[in-house]
Amino acid sequence: QLQLQESGPGLVKPSETLSLTCSVSGGSISSSSYYWGWIRQPPGKGLEWIGNIYYSGSTYYNPSLKSRVTISVDTSKNQFSLKLSSVTAADTAVYYCARQRSYGGYFSRFDPWGQGSLVTVFS
Amino acid sequence: QSVLTQPPSVSGAPGQRVTISCTGSSSNIGAGYDVHWYQQLPGTAPKLLIYGNSNRPSGVPDRFSGSKSGTSASLAISGLQAEDETDYYCQSYDSSLSVIFGGGTKLTVL
Repeated sequence: QLQLQESGPGLVKPSETLSLTCSVSGGSISSSSYYWGWIRQPPGKGLEWIGNIYYSGSTYYNPSLKSRVTISVDTSKNQFSLKLSSVTAADTAVYYCARQRSYGGYFSRFDPWGQGSLVTVFS
Repeated sequence: QSVLTQPPSVSGAPGQRVTISCTGSSSNIGAGYDVHWYQQLPGTAPKLLIYGNSNRPSGVPDRFSGSKSGTSASLAISGLQAEDETDYYCQSYDSSLSVIFGGGTKLTVL
């Protein structure tokens, strides 16, 4: 059974870079037809897609976050990572990683999801 | 403001049937992209409930069903149970190369 687990600092200072890693177990991150995504959810609010990556390194980002986001993959460790630069209090959220089905460049459903990691931007 | 519009809240009595709408536009749902639904229990990650407009993953009760027409989609829950009281989100894809979510709907079982 495929499982994903986020890890990284729970506190980040304003203007610094948020860094999270998602470890994949029970399956290979190099599977075809799947992208690997990041989604966030501010406290009490809805879901926002951040971006995703294919095992080859191909990435797609939310246009509203694109200038600050970098997603990378390490197939040797079966992990992918998120970096979000110049954070502010508005970036405080639970960050989820998830596997995303893709069909010829069109992105479909997320399943499964990691349990989520709360990151607070706090000075 | 979400690209997909959901009602903030819906309610129904135990045993009743409720529907949650998800309204998009010609660049996403209306363009033929699939709609997926997630159930999010308090303090937990979203769980895939319906995929490809109307398909249920293994283990999801058949009380949950989905449909799509034009630029909108709907999630229907029949035989409401107390355990169904939680948040529900729709998700699709937009021609701008973006994955999009609805703002979420809180279901209250009266």
